[in-house]
Amino acid sequence: DQQVKQNSPSLSVQEGRISILNCDYTNSMFDYFLWYKKYPAEGPTFLISISSIKDKNEDGRFTVFLNKSAKHLSLHIVPSQPGDSAVYFCAAKPDFGNEKLTFGTGTRLTIIP
Amino acid sequence: NAGVTQTPKFRVLKTGQSMTLLCAQDMNHEYMYWYRQDPGMGLRLIHYSVGEGTTAKGEVPDGYNVSRLKKQNFLLGLESAAPSQTSVYFCASSYGSSSRNEQFFGPGTRLTVL
Repeated sequence: DQQVKQNSPSLSVQEGRISILNCDYTNSMFDYFLWYKKYPAEGPTFLISISSIKDKNEDGRFTVFLNKSAKHLSLHIVPSQPGDSAVYFCAAKPDFGNEKLTFGTGTRLTIIP
Repeated sequence: NAGVTQTPKFRVLKTGQSMTLLCAQDMNHEYMYWYRQDPGMGLRLIHYSVGEGTTAKGEVPDGYNVSRLKKQNFLLGLESAAPSQTSVYFCASSYGSSSRNEQFFGPGTRLTVL
């Protein structure tokens, strides 16, 4: 039972254009969402997060949008750069003192120069 | 600061052998976690610890044991390795369970069980 789903295993985007990565979840108890970025042979690193009390959070070139009624979030990267090529994981957790993150299966983003 | 380190980076075992993976963090984090990553499965939580001397089961705990004797170390043990345990193992740590506390990951251990 995959509670966090990333339905696109891979995505290719031209350098300078917008990259949009999508994530859907089924558990209505999830209240806090995170995106992690992973390069080959390295551990995931935290990128950006959003609480359910917001519908948007920005950090430089990265913006996360949350549509709680649709149980959907997306990560926008503008403009896309070659260094953004990586695997991106969406993760979710309840907001109340629960330490366990549930991860999606990841989307491999390739930025084409 | 080294952050989160994992030992070893690679290991090949034969079925039935045992081994221990070591995770160390120097950020004074209370919480530590062990995950495994398999193709098409994302990261799945094996065991976690909310403080020195405590451990708890995650999503896929069978075949693994853990210990947290010191705050900075979290050990993952395989008593009798099976080919199904071939995976990449990641350790992570965080300050606590607050929603604002991101998890910091180590570089991973690639384990192959023949």
